[in-house]
Amino acid sequence: EVQLVESGGGLVKPGGSLRLSCAASGFSFSSYTMNWVRQAPGKGLEWVSTISSTKSYIYYADSVKGRFTISRDNAKTSLYLQMNSLRAGDTAVYYCAYGAGSRLDYWGQGTLVTVSS
Amino acid sequence: DNQMTQFPASLSASVGDRVTITCRARQGISIYLAWFQQKPGQAPKSLIYGASNLQSGVPSRFSGSGSGTHFSLTISSLQPEDSATYYCQQYNTYPITFGQGTRLEIK
Repeated sequence: EVQLVESGGGLVKPGGSLRLSCAASGFSFSSYTMNWVRQAPGKGLEWVSTISSTKSYIYYADSVKGRFTISRDNAKTSLYLQMNSLRAGDTAVYYCAYGAGSRLDYWGQGTLVTVSS
Repeated sequence: DNQMTQFPASLSASVGDRVTITCRARQGISIYLAWFQQKPGQAPKSLIYGASNLQSGVPSRFSGSGSGTHFSLTISSLQPEDSATYYCQQYNTYPITFGQGTRLEIK
């Protein structure tokens, strides 16, 4: 059974940093492109970042470029999102997701990040 | 960015009704279009990929069609458990983009 379990969310002050993790199991993690998608309270879905299986390509949304860094450890079957210079607008539930190619077939349950003073 | 526009933004229908949600891409995306269902407090669930391919386990009353810039999601006979918000998403090019969502209420 595919499992994606996000962790690391919490309350952080503006300008602060947070590192999210996504522990994956039940599939061949090292073979798949992985993604982060977020959803602000009461709002729609927003793609954040993508990293390919071998880290050969990485993409970011303009809204997080230069502040967020996606990474992965295939040996630990884990995905990460280092978030720096956090703003109130980054408040959201952050989901990790993956699928065949660029698809988002499977999603974790999400972790809530709240940026507030 | 390839903006995705969904309509209607919300709709209300009765059990047994046929419901269609439309999604338009600003630029052509071939068939690289997915549909998701999200219920309150839950993660999105993939329903359809490749514009018309049903994910495993998704009821056959859900169907998708379209290519290029015009797409639709149809529920052939609405059930109470279909009350949710539905999103379209293009994965033809980065940045991946989502429609703004359609909130479906059961009368």
